[in-house]
This record gives sequence, C-alpha cells and structure tokens, in this order.
Amino acid sequence: GESVGLHLPTLSVQEGDNSIINCAYSNSASDYFIWYKQESGKGPQFIIDIRSNMDKRQGQRVTVLLNKTVKHLSLQIAATQPGDSAVYFCADLNDYKLSFGAGTTVTVRA
Amino acid sequence: DGGITQSPKYLFRKEGQNVTLSCEQNLNHDAMYWYRQDPGQGLRLIYYSQIVNDFQKGDIAEGYSVSREKKESFPLTVTSAQKNPTAFYLCASSTTTGGTQYFGPGTRLTVL
Repeated sequence: GESVGLHLPTLSVQEGDNSIINCAYSNSASDYFIWYKQESGKGPQFIIDIRSNMDKRQGQRVTVLLNKTVKHLSLQIAATQPGDSAVYFCADLNDYKLSFGAGTTVTVRA
Repeated sequence: DGGITQSPKYLFRKEGQNVTLSCEQNLNHDAMYWYRQDPGQGLRLIYYSQIVNDFQKGDIAEGYSVSREKKESFPLTVTSAQKNPTAFYLCASSTTTGGTQYFGPGTRLTVL
C-alpha cells in the first residue's frame, strides 16, 4: 500500500484565508518529505521540502510542519489566492523512491 | 532556459502499436524517472535511471521499456503488452537518486 496519504480529497477555501492541507505517513524510517502542486494538465511543481531533523520550514507564503510522533505533516498556505487552486500532493522520498499520496484538490472561492 | 521537456504533449495510439515518449533535461541531473498518473490518483513509478547506461524497474514496469544512452535523455516506450496504457505520463529528474525530483509537463497518452 501507499506510505503517504492525505486526510481530505478536497478543500474549499475563501480567497484571502489560510489553507491547511494534511498528510499522514506510515513509514517511521521516512526522513525526507516534499510537497508538490499540480495544476490541471501540468506536471507537479515543487513547493517545499522538509527533512526529519526539522519540525517546521517556511517558504514564500507556505509553511510545512512535521510531527514525527504521530507521523503527520501539513502544508499551510497563507492568504490563499486564486492561483493556488490545484491538486496538492505530499510525498516521501526513501532512497530513490518517491511515494505519493492521492492528492487534495484545493478550490479557492472568490 | 533550463528544465525538463516532454514531447509530444498529447499522443494517440491504436491498440497493438508501440509508442515512444520523449524526455529531455538540460539540468545536468544524473537520475531520471518515469511515472504514470491515472485520474484522481497519485503517481506510480515505472522506471528509473541513476546514471547513463543503467536503469531499474519501478513498481509498474510491465509493458514498458526505457533506454538511457545519453545523460540528458530518457525515452519511454509503451509497448503493446501494456494492457491499459491510457494515462498521463510524467518524467522527472534529480541530481542524484536521493535528491529532490523535478517534473516535466507530461504527455497524455490515449489508446483508441
């Protein structure tokens, strides 16, 4: 089975609000996680990554939190914009293998 | 302009035909990958290559073949043995096999 999974398949957010996308993983040995954004008909785009020796990492308008105790990570998007509408995947990278969850579709309401 | 390119963007195939999908990168990455994506699902690994003239099967290699004769190129052939080839195919590359993978724009293959 898959080693990562997302809690909700869809998320509807009001423009300007913050978005939180959750992901759980099962492999305790996983030590590197990546969030990707995929717009319709395009390839996944790297957003942010985090290694297991960190709890939090911030980028431009995005923050990833990692809770190794409960094997959970989340992606927070600040001040969500219409251009943030996409499918978001968390993935864990073990050696060469990138294991993806099914994705959360984020829809931004005007 | 650096990046990963895939061609064609859309590809139609008749049953029983082999087709080859192109993937090129000018990022000087050693490792390259092919994934398949079906509607509403995550990505599944078909083949990967850590270095030129070397490649390994992923989780769903049956019915596919690859070659890695040049560092910048990793073409994927979908053979007639692949029973359900209609999907979105994504190529990725990374500096090494343990590095962050960056994706191309994808090729949508439809079997008629």
